[in-house]
Amino acid sequence: KQEVTQIPAALSVPEGENLVLNCSFTDSAIYNLQWFRQDPGKGLTSLLLIQSSQREQTSGRLNASLDKSSGRSTLYIAASQPGDSATYLCAVLAGAGSYQLTFGKGTKLSVIP
Amino acid sequence: EAQVTQNPRYLITVTGKKLTVTCSQNMNHEYMSWYRQDPGLGLRQIYYSMNVEVTDKGDVPEGYKVSRKEKRNFPLILESPSPNQTSLYFCASSPTQNEQFFGPGTRLTVL
Repeated sequence: KQEVTQIPAALSVPEGENLVLNCSFTDSAIYNLQWFRQDPGKGLTSLLLIQSSQREQTSGRLNASLDKSSGRSTLYIAASQPGDSATYLCAVLAGAGSYQLTFGKGTKLSVIP
Repeated sequence: EAQVTQNPRYLITVTGKKLTVTCSQNMNHEYMSWYRQDPGLGLRQIYYSMNVEVTDKGDVPEGYKVSRKEKRNFPLILESPSPNQTSLYFCASSPTQNEQFFGPGTRLTVL
């Protein structure tokens, strides 16, 4: 059974710092990997989707990489801002034909002004 | 505006009283699913549907029912709610196996 782990569980950084969030998964036979942001009491906002054939995706200050063979993904946030404070979740979709997302438990990020 | 909507957003009920949480999407997506989110356990899939009249169990289907009579709607039914179903529920949709879009969530409390 696929398991997704996110380390660290919580992270506090000063404003302006670059940071990396980690995600690892046990079964490398994934179809894609998606990073989400969740604000307290709110829904999930999709940030980046990486297909299994891709190595990275970028959106603004966010860059996500995928190393499928080693079961790892990282989310890089450049020049962090207080508005980036949220919980970041990664989720993997199993192989072709599957629609089941398996989520990590998230990294709670606090960016201190 | 493309979106997934859920109703109600908040619900407090009592054990055994049947309830339905509605989910609707306006993006003509084939795939829809339900998740519950609990502290320390993360998000877990309850049920999913790959198209009209096609549904299947996720990781934690016990105590829940779903139906998919129309493409846009995917209601979650709790026939006899129990306190262990107190949770934050999310509906999601996607076109085939691509990016999934989530609703705003329904916070359910069963007393």
